[in-house]
Amino acid sequence: AQSVTQLDSQVPVFEEAPVELRCNYSSSVSVYLFWYVQYPNQGLQLLLKYLSGSTLVESINGFEAEFNKSQTSFHLRKPSVHISDTAEYFCAVSALLNFQKLVFGTGTRLLVSP
Amino acid sequence: DAGITQSPRHKVTETGTPVTLRCHQTENHRYMYWYRQDPGHGLRLIHYSYGVKDTDKGEVSDGYSVSRSKTEDFLLTLESATSSQTSVYFCAISESSPATRPDTQYFGPGTRLTVL
Repeated sequence: AQSVTQLDSQVPVFEEAPVELRCNYSSSVSVYLFWYVQYPNQGLQLLLKYLSGSTLVESINGFEAEFNKSQTSFHLRKPSVHISDTAEYFCAVSALLNFQKLVFGTGTRLLVSP
Repeated sequence: DAGITQSPRHKVTETGTPVTLRCHQTENHRYMYWYRQDPGHGLRLIHYSYGVKDTDKGEVSDGYSVSRSKTEDFLLTLESATSSQTSVYFCAISESSPATRPDTQYFGPGTRLTVL
């Protein structure tokens, strides 16, 4: 079985500062990794995903995440955040052979202030 | 946005009553999912469907049943609601296959259910 740990429940940061949201996973088999974002009172939206190939993946709005197999991590980073990035971010994992089942972390609330 | 609607969007009910939540998609996607979201737990998979009449259990399926008689509709039923089932319920769809590997899961707007 897979599991995901997001140690930070809340990350406060000032606008234009860099941010890193941490995600560690546990699995005995190879995995796919995802970051989803949830804005207030909305459903989740895919931010980025790692399936294979380059370990660095990027989103269209400036976020990036790096798959580190040795550290079983998939941390999300952004060099300069905006007020509009305030949201809850969920890391998720699925096994290669059971890809339809996503296991989510508990989420990290990013609070960006002026 | 993916064409996913959930109904009702809000519901308050009493312990012991049956409740059915509906998810409707216009994308003709093969996979449909029901999750519940609770503070401190993130999202947890209740049941999912990989085709008409084909369903399987997720992580927290006890107390829930599902049905999919048409590609576009996936129903979640709480046979006898309990206070522990107070939650926000999300439906999701995807078009994953062994050939495409995991496709993006698209989420509906959610249903807030309160069981008194």
